[in-house]
Amino acid sequence: KQEVTQIPAALSVPEGENLVLNCSFTDSAIYNLQWFRQDPGKGLTSLLLIQSSQREQTSGRLNASLDKSSGRSTLYIAASQPGDSATYLCAVDSGNQFYFGTGTSLTVIP
Amino acid sequence: EADIYQTPRYLVIGTGKKITLECSQTMGHDKMYWYQQDPGMELHLIHYSYGVNSTEKGDLSSESTVSRIRTEHFPLTLESARPSHTSQYLCASSAGGRGYTFGSGTRLTVV
Repeated sequence: KQEVTQIPAALSVPEGENLVLNCSFTDSAIYNLQWFRQDPGKGLTSLLLIQSSQREQTSGRLNASLDKSSGRSTLYIAASQPGDSATYLCAVDSGNQFYFGTGTSLTVIP
Repeated sequence: EADIYQTPRYLVIGTGKKITLECSQTMGHDKMYWYQQDPGMELHLIHYSYGVNSTEKGDLSSESTVSRIRTEHFPLTLESARPSHTSQYLCASSAGGRGYTFGSGTRLTVV
């Protein structure tokens, strides 16, 4: 069974810093990997989707990379803002099911 | 802009009542899912469907039931609500390796 781990579990940074969130998975046979953002009490908002054949995807200040062979993905957030404060989840599509990590809770301090 | 809609957004209901949480998507996705999530905790898959008339139970045992009579509609029903059912319920859909789209969720409180 696929296991997805996110490190760190929580992160607090001052506004303006660049930061990296990590996601690792145990089975490299994946179709794609997706990064989500979740605000308290809300649903999940898709940030970036990386297909298994891709190495990275970019959207605005966000850049996600994928190294399938080593079972790792990173989400890079440039010039962080207080509005970026949320929980960030990665999810791996192994074909029959998505497997979610436990998330990284990010706080950006003004 | 969300293409998957959940209603109601919030629901407070008494013990023993029957409730149905609605989920509809306009994207024509064949796969749909229900997740349960307690505050600050991870998501747990409770039901999924790969198409019309197809439903399966997920990893987390749940007393709820689902139906998939139409591609766009995947309602979840609790026949007799209990306080232990208090949680957030998230609906999602996917198709063809294009990732998940989530609804805004239903926050259920059973008193």
